[in-house]
Amino acid sequence: TQLLKQSPQFLSIQEGENLTVYCNSSSVFSSLQWYRQEPGEGPVLLVTVVTGGEVKKLKRLTFQFGDARKDSSLHITAAQPGDTGLYLCAASNDYKLSFGAGTTVTVRA
Amino acid sequence: DTAVSQTPKYLVTQMGNDKSIKCEQNLGHDTMYWYKQDSKKFLKIMFSYNNKELIINETVPNRFSPKSPDKAHLNLHINSLELGDSAVYFCASSSSGQAIWWDGYTFGSGTRLTVV
Repeated sequence: TQLLKQSPQFLSIQEGENLTVYCNSSSVFSSLQWYRQEPGEGPVLLVTVVTGGEVKKLKRLTFQFGDARKDSSLHITAAQPGDTGLYLCAASNDYKLSFGAGTTVTVRA
Repeated sequence: DTAVSQTPKYLVTQMGNDKSIKCEQNLGHDTMYWYKQDSKKFLKIMFSYNNKELIINETVPNRFSPKSPDKAHLNLHINSLELGDSAVYFCASSSSGQAIWWDGYTFGSGTRLTVV
């Protein structure tokens, strides 16, 4: 049983469009992290969200943690081909980091 | 100056063979991990070591044996390789034994294991 459910599984958009990726769970988390993984590389941490309702911005990326701390979203504004990758949400459970199944984002030039 | 380095990057081997993957981190982190990423890109933890002590073993077959000679190294030895072992294996490290909120994991670039 997966702790974190991500949607959609795949997302293909044109350069300049916006996109949103969702991460949902029935569990409450003290924090949640987002990672990006590029082909042939390991995941790289983008952000950690901690407080319910928190919004964090990283250039064109906006991360939101739900008020109940059970869900999170990642919004990319004016996507660029360099945003292409696998986006993973992750949360701590029993002293280990568990990952969602990921959303593969492809931004076409 | 690679923070977490794994070798080899690619490993192709026959069923039944024994192979090892090595991992080293130069971040001074206390905790290291092995994750397996399957063909659907799902990342699942296998093992975790904190200061050379095994703290997590996620019901991995005992053909997989991790070894941590010191806190900067965590190797993975796999006996009697099976077709289903084909995957990308990632080593990671973090600065404490808990995935506490201010910690992130630093991952290596992965070892793609193909069993034929």
